[in-house]
Amino acid sequence: LAKTTQPISMDSYEGQEVNITCSHNNIATNDYITWYQQFPSQGPRFIIQGYKTKVTNEVASLFIPADRKSSTLSLPRVSLSDTAVYYCLVAESGTYKYIFGTGTRLKVLA
Amino acid sequence: NAGVTQTPKFQVLKTGQSMTLQCAQDMNHEYMSWYRQDPGMGLRLIHYSVGAGITDQGEVPNGYNVSRSTTEDFPLRLLSAAPSQTSVYFCASSGLGQRTGELFFGEGSRLTVL
Repeated sequence: LAKTTQPISMDSYEGQEVNITCSHNNIATNDYITWYQQFPSQGPRFIIQGYKTKVTNEVASLFIPADRKSSTLSLPRVSLSDTAVYYCLVAESGTYKYIFGTGTRLKVLA
Repeated sequence: NAGVTQTPKFQVLKTGQSMTLQCAQDMNHEYMSWYRQDPGMGLRLIHYSVGAGITDQGEVPNGYNVSRSTTEDFPLRLLSAAPSQTSVYFCASSGLGQRTGELFFGEGSRLTVL
């Protein structure tokens, strides 16, 4: 089973960099790792995806080591509006069965 | 673009009633899926489909039926609603090809079963 493991919750202060790590030991060779953000009463919103090494976009960076068994979402200089639940997502090996983990509840403090 | 559209947004049912949650997408995506999210919890996969006529079970399929007769639509049927099915339901779609996991979500359908 493609099971992902993340910390349940994290607290941070405004302006700090936040790193959330996800482990995905059974990721298939050709599959990507995708991260989502979810606010209360809304659907998940795509943040970033990657296959290996480092990917950066306007909101986040994603670091993936060579063995691809984990990934780290990096949010630079968080603000109060980044308070949300963050999920990493991989497919069950060889299928399109996308299983979400428990997610990480990030609380940004003033 | 409408993207992924779910109807209804809110629904109240009595135990034992049946209903269908509708999901439609206008992006010509082959992949569609249904998730449920209970209060304070993560998303759990109910059913998914990789094309018209093809469906498969997710993590929590019991009590739900799906069919996929067109690329655009993927309705979710509750056969005999139970209070345990009170949840927010999200439909998602994606293109096929490489499994990138980039899913496009609808706004959700909030279901209460009394």
